[in-house]
Amino acid sequence: NAGVTQTPKFQVLKTGQSMTLQCAQDMNHEYMSWYRQDPGMGLRLIHYSVGAGITDQGEVPNGYNVSRSTTEDFPLRLLSAAPSQTSVYFCASSLSGFRDEQFFGPGTRLTVL
Amino acid sequence: LAKTTQPISMDSYEGQEVNITCSHNNIATNDYITWYQQFPSQGPRFIIQGYKTKVTNEVASLFIPADRKSSTLSLPRVSLSDTAVYYCLLPNRDDKIIFGKGTRLHILP
Repeated sequence: NAGVTQTPKFQVLKTGQSMTLQCAQDMNHEYMSWYRQDPGMGLRLIHYSVGAGITDQGEVPNGYNVSRSTTEDFPLRLLSAAPSQTSVYFCASSLSGFRDEQFFGPGTRLTVL
Repeated sequence: LAKTTQPISMDSYEGQEVNITCSHNNIATNDYITWYQQFPSQGPRFIIQGYKTKVTNEVASLFIPADRKSSTLSLPRVSLSDTAVYYCLLPNRDDKIIFGKGTRLHILP
């Protein structure tokens, strides 16, 4: 099992550009989620999904879109990048909810100039 | 809203036992307490989860007193590689978990 994979590892964008962060899991987990982590801070929930075709907003959803067309994939789209979105982004999955053990990907370090 | 309070940072030496205490005065009856570990430049990793008394696995022990208003993560005989941030987590009223700033544990040689 590869677990949770994320691409790319690093990305630099200019203000106003758009991009998609990829996340995939091979554990057949129902729940998937996206977090961002700013320097010296904890993780903040952006969006999450309880299963294919179902997504919902987390704590800081503005400026991000998600979709869940398959159980395995949960991409995060930045519509128009802003410097405030400079952060490390982590994708996670769990079997059936946030109370279950969450498995995190290695992260994507995004810089917006 | 179940809120947790834990020390911002701790230092310890190799070979010692480290105890990190987390306060959660408003824990709900059915809430489990979960701890995660995060190494620099990596995603968090589940360490241990418990409801009451004591839970032990190959990495750590978790002690929870009868009133469940606090919990203590115990790391036996730490090494330099245990330097990380440790998060004590409870679900909030929306059934999501909130990662606070955690405890930065620095192990010294």
